[in-house]
Amino acid sequence: KAGVTQTPRYLIKTRGQQVTLSCSPISGHRSVSWYQQTPGQGLQFLFEYFSETQRNKGNFPGRFSGRQFSNSRSEMNVSTLELGDSALYLCASSFLPDQETQYFGPGTRLLVL
Amino acid sequence: GENVEQHPSTLSVQEGDSAVIKCTYSDSASNYFPWYKQELGKGPQLIIDIRSNVGEKKDQRIAVTLNKTAKHFSLHITETQPEDSAVYFCRDQFYFGTGTSLTVIP
Repeated sequence: KAGVTQTPRYLIKTRGQQVTLSCSPISGHRSVSWYQQTPGQGLQFLFEYFSETQRNKGNFPGRFSGRQFSNSRSEMNVSTLELGDSALYLCASSFLPDQETQYFGPGTRLLVL
Repeated sequence: GENVEQHPSTLSVQEGDSAVIKCTYSDSASNYFPWYKQELGKGPQLIIDIRSNVGEKKDQRIAVTLNKTAKHFSLHITETQPEDSAVYFCRDQFYFGTGTSLTVIP
């Protein structure tokens, strides 16, 4: 079974631009969660989707948004990029939401200049 | 819940020794406790997990223990090997510990 895939793997943007990251979960998994990882803040929860609905959201500004499609694939979008948005963005999938076993993708490394 | 404390932040052990990492959580409703290993340039990899209806789970050299009364759970790695060197994270619901950088010295 293929693991979680994320595209692109690396991305360079400038301040003020927007970016869209994509995540394809493990086949059969219907829940996708997104995390931001930085050296200073560690792993921080962004949001969780299940059956195309956002179920939980972390403490991030409205510039961070996401969605999930009927095939469970998910995208996250960051608008008006700031230097501090430079991070590794990780996607994790699980069969069910909430306290379930999550499997992570390799991440998308975003650099904002 | 949001308050997940992980200790120590760094740990160096000699090859063959044991390593123990501890996490403390605050939400008594939590019932699932995984541990992840993250190597450089990769996403976190689930290595072991435990649910609240058991106190200990073991998988070869790795074990996790849970104390629900004290609200803490620990990762135990025995007979450490250089390839165990990585950053280890605990998780409670959507919140991760701050990570432990483990170095196994050959």
